[in-house]
Amino acid sequence: QITLKESGPTLVKPTQTLTLTCTFSGFSLSSTGVGVGWIRQPPGKALQWLALIYWDDDQRYSPSLKSRLTITKDTSKNQVVLRMTNMDPVDTATYYCARRSSYCGGDCYPYWGQGTPVTVSS
Amino acid sequence: QSVLTQPPSVSGAPGQRVTISCTGSSSNIGAGYDVHWYQHLPGTAPKFLIYNNYNRPSGVPDRFSGSKSGTSASLVITGLQAEDEADYYCQSYDSSLSGSLFGGGTKVTVL
Repeated sequence: QITLKESGPTLVKPTQTLTLTCTFSGFSLSSTGVGVGWIRQPPGKALQWLALIYWDDDQRYSPSLKSRLTITKDTSKNQVVLRMTNMDPVDTATYYCARRSSYCGGDCYPYWGQGTPVTVSS
Repeated sequence: QSVLTQPPSVSGAPGQRVTISCTGSSSNIGAGYDVHWYQHLPGTAPKFLIYNNYNRPSGVPDRFSGSKSGTSASLVITGLQAEDEADYYCQSYDSSLSGSLFGGGTKVTVL
């Protein structure tokens, strides 16, 4: 059974750095084709793809946020960490991690965590 | 600009058929990248609904179907049920972004 769970602060101040951890089970991030991505949803808005890390440590970022994002993996701990610098109130959202599957053309995300809400406010 | 455009809302009575369109461009759907669909209820994890344009994961009812043509894709719900009331998102890969792109989402209302 594949599960993912996001953890991190629910409240951060403007200009601070947000660190979110995705802890997963039921698969290995060292298996060919596997990846873990981050997607967010601001209140009342659409899903927005943020970043993806592949089994081979290749990293991809949303161009609009690339300068602020870092995604890393710890295969031994089954964790993926997303860091977002210089947080702003517009970054208030529910943040999801999701597993990429290799059987999709391009990338697809069959498995998702429940999401973690993050509010940016002073 | 890389965008997947969906209608903000569609509605239908129970038992009816509704169609949600997803219009892209030459850097995503038109480039041949597959389209995937998700169903999202507030406060829950998005559910994987359709992959590679028209394939249903195990457990997804066959009243959900997908198609793709040119720079667009569609999700069709036939025999609409009250439990289908949710937000639906299309997603594809975009070569200019070198990453994924989600549509703006469509809210399905069952009248």
